[in-house]
Amino acid sequence: AQSVTQLDSHVSVSEGTPVLLRCNYSSSYSPSLFWYVQHPNKGLQLLLKYTSAATLVKGINGFEAEFKKSETSFHLTKPSAHMSDAAEYFCVVSVPSGGSYIPTFGRGTSLIVHP
Amino acid sequence: DAGVTQSPTHLIKTRGQQVTLRCSPKSGHDTVSWYQQALGQGPQFIFQYYEEEERQRGNFPDRFSGHQFPNYSSELNVNALLLGDSALYLCASSWGQEVYVGEKLFFGSGTQLSVL
Repeated sequence: AQSVTQLDSHVSVSEGTPVLLRCNYSSSYSPSLFWYVQHPNKGLQLLLKYTSAATLVKGINGFEAEFKKSETSFHLTKPSAHMSDAAEYFCVVSVPSGGSYIPTFGRGTSLIVHP
Repeated sequence: DAGVTQSPTHLIKTRGQQVTLRCSPKSGHDTVSWYQQALGQGPQFIFQYYEEEERQRGNFPDRFSGHQFPNYSSELNVNALLLGDSALYLCASSWGQEVYVGEKLFFGSGTQLSVL
C-alpha cells in the first residue's frame, strides 16, 4: 500500500521569502514521487518528478525537491516566493501496480503569498 | 498543440440521473486516466484506459464506468447519481510507455459536476 501526507493544509509566506511545502510518503516499493500545482480554474501541472535518479530534483518556476529515503520525505522548496506562486500544491506517490503506475495524491497544501 | 480537453466544463444533474463526461487526450498520448476531486481534497484515481481497455481501477463502485475510443478519446459515465458524486472530474493523459518508468500526467481543466 502507498500513502502520502502533506503536513500543512495552508502555508502563508511573504513575497520574496522562502517557501517550504512538506510531504511524507509511505510505500512498500521504491516510489516515484511528484509535485503538481493547481491554479484556480485550471488543470494540474507537473512541477517536478523523482524517479530514482538524483535525489535533488529541479522543477519549473524555480521549485526544487529533495528525496530523503531515511526520512521518507519529499519536501518542495523555492528560495523566493512570487505572487504568481499562490496556488494549491499536491504531492503524489506512485508505485507499480499490475504493469502500470497508480498515483496517490495528498490532500493538498494551499500556498498563500502576501505582498 | 492542443492539450487535454474536457467537456462540458460544468454540469448540473439531479439524484438518480446518469451523466457522461468526455475527454480528448493531448496529441501523441494514448492513455487516459480519470480522477475525482472533491472540494478541499486531492484527486482520487477512478480508472485508467489504454488500448481501449480498462487497465487499472481505483476504489470506485461499478456505477462509474468508462470507455476509450480508437482515437484515444474517452468517456466517463456515472449512473444513479448520488449527492456525494458532486466533484470536479479530471481527465489526465499520458503516453503508454511512460507508465513503466513513472507517469507524467497532463491534466485537463476538469468538469465540475453538481448533483442536486
